[in-house]
Amino acid sequence: NAGVTQTPKFQVLKTGQSMTLQCAQDMNHEYMSWYRQDPGMGLRLIHYSVGAGITDQGEVPNGYNVSRSTTEDFPLRLLSAAPSQTSVYFCASSWRNTGELFFGEGSRLTVL
Amino acid sequence: KQEVTQIPAALSVPEGENLVLNCSFTDSAIYNLQWFRQDPGKGLTSLLLIQSSQREQTSGRLNASLDKSSGRSTLYIAASQPGDSATYLCAVGGNRGGSQGNLIFGKGTKLSVKP
Repeated sequence: NAGVTQTPKFQVLKTGQSMTLQCAQDMNHEYMSWYRQDPGMGLRLIHYSVGAGITDQGEVPNGYNVSRSTTEDFPLRLLSAAPSQTSVYFCASSWRNTGELFFGEGSRLTVL
Repeated sequence: KQEVTQIPAALSVPEGENLVLNCSFTDSAIYNLQWFRQDPGKGLTSLLLIQSSQREQTSGRLNASLDKSSGRSTLYIAASQPGDSATYLCAVGGNRGGSQGNLIFGKGTKLSVKP
């Protein structure tokens, strides 16, 4: 099993550009989520999904969009990138009831 | 609002020492608590998961305890090794049905184990 796979690992954007961070898991997990990690702020939840077709907002959802059309995939879309979105983004998944969270390796995004 | 605090922010110990990392949280109505390890430039690796009904979990040289009533958890590392050097993160899970996986993270303790 590959676990949780994120692409790309690194990305540089200009202000105003849009892009999608991809996340896929092969563990048949119902729950998937996106976090961002910033120095001094720790990890903060952006969006999450408890199953295909169901998404909800976390702590810092503004400027981001998600969809969950399949159990395996949970892409994160930046609609119009801003320098404040420079961060490391982590996708994670778990069984709904177990709660043990498995993380991807992260995507480092720089917005100029 | 749930807040998670980890003390100390950084810790340096000589190889072989037993050590304790602390985690405190403000709302005792949690579903579970997880300890993670993060190496520089890498993702998070789950170390131990404690359900709200449990008091401790063990894995190898690691032992995590949970005291919900006092809002505290500790991660005990026995016989530390240089390979244990990493940042250790504590996270608590909410107890509402759909959001059980929504973890609130502490800012971590950066551990350095010197040979």
